[in-house]
Amino acid sequence: GAVVSQHPSRVICKSGTSVKIECRSLDFQATTMFWYRQFPKKSLMLMATSNEGSKATYEQGVEKDKFLINHASLTLSTLTVTSAHPEDSSFYICSAGRTGGSYTFGSGTRLTVV
Amino acid sequence: GQQLNQSPQSMFIQEGEDVSMNCTSSSIFNTWLWYKQDPGEGPVLLIALYKAGELTSNGRLTAQFGITRKDSFLNISASIPSDVGIYFCAGQNNNDMRFGAGTRLTVKP
Repeated sequence: GAVVSQHPSRVICKSGTSVKIECRSLDFQATTMFWYRQFPKKSLMLMATSNEGSKATYEQGVEKDKFLINHASLTLSTLTVTSAHPEDSSFYICSAGRTGGSYTFGSGTRLTVV
Repeated sequence: GQQLNQSPQSMFIQEGEDVSMNCTSSSIFNTWLWYKQDPGEGPVLLIALYKAGELTSNGRLTAQFGITRKDSFLNISASIPSDVGIYFCAGQNNNDMRFGAGTRLTVKP
């Protein structure tokens, strides 16, 4: 149980375009989803916490207008990188779970902006 | 967000050797977790600890939740080549989860 699917696994986009990343909990209802960014050889950096039906809570320094998060249902959260630039290239990972419980990570999305 | 202090940063060991890594924090956590991340993948949960002083094993892995609730360690016994990867500790209080910087493990056959 507790399977989280993240899609796409890799995406290359042109500078200035927007990219949407999906995070789905396949066999459970996720009241909370987290979005992380990971730079090469670094740890996971929390970007935002997303609760179903409410606005996401962004960490300090993360631009909410650039990284749009939507958690419209208990099984789906999306992260949209708007007007992407090369410096947005990174590995993005979601995790999903129930409040206070354990969380399962998606397999990550490698974003390359050219 | 606040990170935990995880050490060592990297380890190069021979196959068959035992490995130990630990995490410390200035804050108390109700849950300690250990994850392994393979290249290009998301972290996978190895062991979850829910009680101070708890010692839990998962095959060749053993982890303990420090009695002060501010630290945890992970041991890997008789390492094998597939143990290669990055190991992260995480402390969790409800929806607040903080990660260590990771320990990069290399196992030489």
